[in-house]
Amino acid sequence: SQKIEQNSEALNIQEGKTATLTCNYTNYSPAYLQWYRQDPGRGPVFLLLIRENEKEKRKERLKVTFDTTLKQSLFHITASQPADSATYLCALEGYGGSQGNLIFGKGTKLSVKP
Amino acid sequence: ETGVTQSPTHLIKTRGQQVTLRCSSQSGHNTVSWYQQALGQGPQFIFQYYREEENGRGNFPPRFSGLQFPNYSSELNVNALELDDSALYLCASSLGTGMTLSGNTIYFGEGSWLTVV
Repeated sequence: SQKIEQNSEALNIQEGKTATLTCNYTNYSPAYLQWYRQDPGRGPVFLLLIRENEKEKRKERLKVTFDTTLKQSLFHITASQPADSATYLCALEGYGGSQGNLIFGKGTKLSVKP
Repeated sequence: ETGVTQSPTHLIKTRGQQVTLRCSSQSGHNTVSWYQQALGQGPQFIFQYYREEENGRGNFPPRFSGLQFPNYSSELNVNALELDDSALYLCASSLGTGMTLSGNTIYFGEGSWLTVV
């Protein structure tokens, strides 16, 4: 069955450092991989999408890479700030009939200390 | 704000009861998806409605049902509630059924917290 794993439940880093979160998947060939931010008690907020034929995507301090051979995506936040503290979810979306059916990982809780 | 509103925000039900959760999608969006998020887990896809028709369903029993109305708002109904149904229920709206080549962003509401006792 399809499986998606995020490398750790929690990641603690110092302000100003780069946070790197990992998402691995098996038994799936996604059309898109997405990253979301979720604050406690709130709904997920879309951050970035990367397509299967793209290697890298950037948005301000965020960078996502996608390696379909390794079946892995890396999510980087550079110059991290305490306000970046949240849970980050990766999600896969397939083709055709599975469009719109996002498969989410459990998330990684990032804490950025001042 | 995403423009997706859900109600109620919190509710407590007794095992065996029925519950209806509501979602108003963002203006112009014709697709609504529902997700269940248990504590400490990622959201799990329940089903999707596109132009009032069910358009895909996850691994949830038939006691989970839904509706989409002509104005594209939606309801999630759960019958015969079980303790394991306690979770955050999320509604997500989009224009179209999935991410298109042009990038079709999905917007989530803040969710409805359901506790079954």
